[in-house]
Amino acid sequence: GENVEQHPSTLSVQEGDSAVIKCTYSDSASNYFPWYKQELGKRPQLIIDIRSNVGEKKDQRIAVTLNKTAKHFSLHITETQPEDSAVYFCAASSGGGADGLTFGKGTHLIIQP
Amino acid sequence: DGGITQSPKYLFRKEGQNVTLSCEQNLNHDAMYWYRQDPGQGLRLIYYSQIVNDFQKGDIAEGYSVSREKKESFPLTVTSAQKNPTAFYLCASIPAGGSNQPQHFGDGTRLSIL
Repeated sequence: GENVEQHPSTLSVQEGDSAVIKCTYSDSASNYFPWYKQELGKRPQLIIDIRSNVGEKKDQRIAVTLNKTAKHFSLHITETQPEDSAVYFCAASSGGGADGLTFGKGTHLIIQP
Repeated sequence: DGGITQSPKYLFRKEGQNVTLSCEQNLNHDAMYWYRQDPGQGLRLIYYSQIVNDFQKGDIAEGYSVSREKKESFPLTVTSAQKNPTAFYLCASIPAGGSNQPQHFGDGTRLSIL
């Protein structure tokens, strides 16, 4: 089955700086890669996703890049703000998500004022 | 207002007891999913269903059971065979399996042992 590794487990950055979270996956058939943000005690919320036919996608301060050859994808957050503090999860799936998502273990992002 | 509703928000289980977590959606989605989240961990797939009256085991199905008698409902039963049930349980749905659509989650049920 699919295995998703996520690094780092904790990331502390100064407000205004950029943050990068990296994930690798094992199943070359995976074709859908969402990123979720989870605040304490709340449900995960989708922040951005990318499909395997695209190498990069941006949405304001957030971007995701995908390297299919190396089987890794990354989340980039620029101009970080205090409200960006949360746990971020990457995930992967094959078959268009039909069989569910395989998640990384999460990155706790701390924005230092 | 469309969405996924999970109930109850908090649930306590006694030793040897089965408990059922409710998940209802009014999004007319075909596919529904149950995940378990332990502290400091990512989500792990328990069961999923792509169509009414059909469901498949996920990565950690042992000690759990599900049913899918109606399109809008996908209840999860945590049986007494699940020896470590304390976790945050999340339900999700998508329009149809294979559609590459993002999964949106309910607010979750937090299950604890008495």
